[in-house]
Amino acid sequence: DAGVIQSPRHEVTEMGQEVTLRCKPISGHNSLFWYRQTMMRGLELLIYFNNNVPIDDSGMPEDRFSAKMPNASFSTLKIQPSEPRDSAVYFCASSNLQGMKFFGPGTRLTVL
Amino acid sequence: GEDVEQSLFLSVREGDSSVINCTYTDSSSTYLYWYKQEPGAGLQLLTYIFSNMDMKQDQRLTVLLNKKDKHLSLRIADTQTGDSAIYFCAEGNDYKLSFGAGTTVTVRA
Repeated sequence: DAGVIQSPRHEVTEMGQEVTLRCKPISGHNSLFWYRQTMMRGLELLIYFNNNVPIDDSGMPEDRFSAKMPNASFSTLKIQPSEPRDSAVYFCASSNLQGMKFFGPGTRLTVL
Repeated sequence: GEDVEQSLFLSVREGDSSVINCTYTDSSSTYLYWYKQEPGAGLQLLTYIFSNMDMKQDQRLTVLLNKKDKHLSLRIADTQTGDSAIYFCAEGNDYKLSFGAGTTVTVRA
């Protein structure tokens, strides 16, 4: 089992650029989550998908953030335009029917 | 997470036991979890306990749950240098997990 796969692992970009983070959940898991981790705010749930459908996006900071899950094996989190305050580690997690969450290794985003 | 509180730091000598404490507010949680995060890595599900249990033991790990006081603890026996990490307590139902701020455990020789 490869676990949750995220790419890229590191991203450095300039303010104003578009950033796309990618996630492949564990096969067979029906729920997918995007989290953001910062020193100041800890772990924050951004959005949650169940069976590819967005269920709760109340944690998405603002309209610059969008997430999609076109199929059961792929999701993207897009930031457009990016700002320095978006710098954080973004985690994707998937969970099985028992609700056990498994996290990916994260994408460390730095916006200059 | 404001619903879950943990102490921020713990320093322990190699070979001793570590005890990480956590308090939470949502008494309806079905499961409570401990996650481990090593530097530069994601969160690893370390162990969990069902809310109707008092204790769960898994090799060097012992989880104690006091539901009345809403207190959860993780004991690591014979702490090793590889146990140095941030440990997160989490509770919740369905999809929404509330995480504590994490306890940074430093193991000294």
